[in-house]
Amino acid sequence: AQKITQTQPGMFVQEKEAVTLDCTYDTSDQSYGLFWYKQPSSGEMIFLIYQGSYDEQNATEGRYSLNFQKARKSANLVISASQLGDSAMYFCAMRESGGSNYKLTFGKGTLLTVNP
Amino acid sequence: ETGVTQTPRHLVMGMTNKKSLKCEQHLGHNAMYWYKQSAKKPLELMFVYNFKEQTENNSVPSRFSPECPNSSHLFLHLHTLQPEDSALYLCASSQVVGYYYEQYFGPGTRLTVT
Repeated sequence: AQKITQTQPGMFVQEKEAVTLDCTYDTSDQSYGLFWYKQPSSGEMIFLIYQGSYDEQNATEGRYSLNFQKARKSANLVISASQLGDSAMYFCAMRESGGSNYKLTFGKGTLLTVNP
Repeated sequence: ETGVTQTPRHLVMGMTNKKSLKCEQHLGHNAMYWYKQSAKKPLELMFVYNFKEQTENNSVPSRFSPECPNSSHLFLHLHTLQPEDSALYLCASSQVVGYYYEQYFGPGTRLTVT
């Protein structure tokens, strides 16, 4: 079974509107971390936001917020007031506490296109 | 220089060549990682170094040989590669290895094997 599932290969949003990118995860660990990264066409992977499994509040970073629903094992990224520069691939990732190296597992990504 | 840097940004090599990728982090971190990103596949972890010690080799073929001389530098030595090794190779670092530490990535090296 996939550890991280991103069901939207591509999404379109109009500039200045909000968009939600879906992410579900699978783990039996009690302690884990969820991350979202942005990858523009230049290739660099840019860290956006982090949510710990024990965090009671949803994480927020500027225009990014993470809608964390632990019982559903979902960690959707919400981008408010989309900008043209938000067009990129977005990856959801999870790091479990089990195992020796806290491996970061990535989903397949969602390509977001912001239209003017 | 700030963040994580990688050189070269682009590399074309033949299957019989030997080349090296370099990664340097200026964040004071102690853990460094190599990832491979192939088209239409999720990012794959290759190697993990924590305080200069290799702590994970994710079943990577021996034609890829990592080296971590200190906590700031990481190399990936390449020899007798195959065309299917063509990919974007990303280096990352984190404060230490731990599930709540975010990883910061470099811009990557786009490798083409001919």
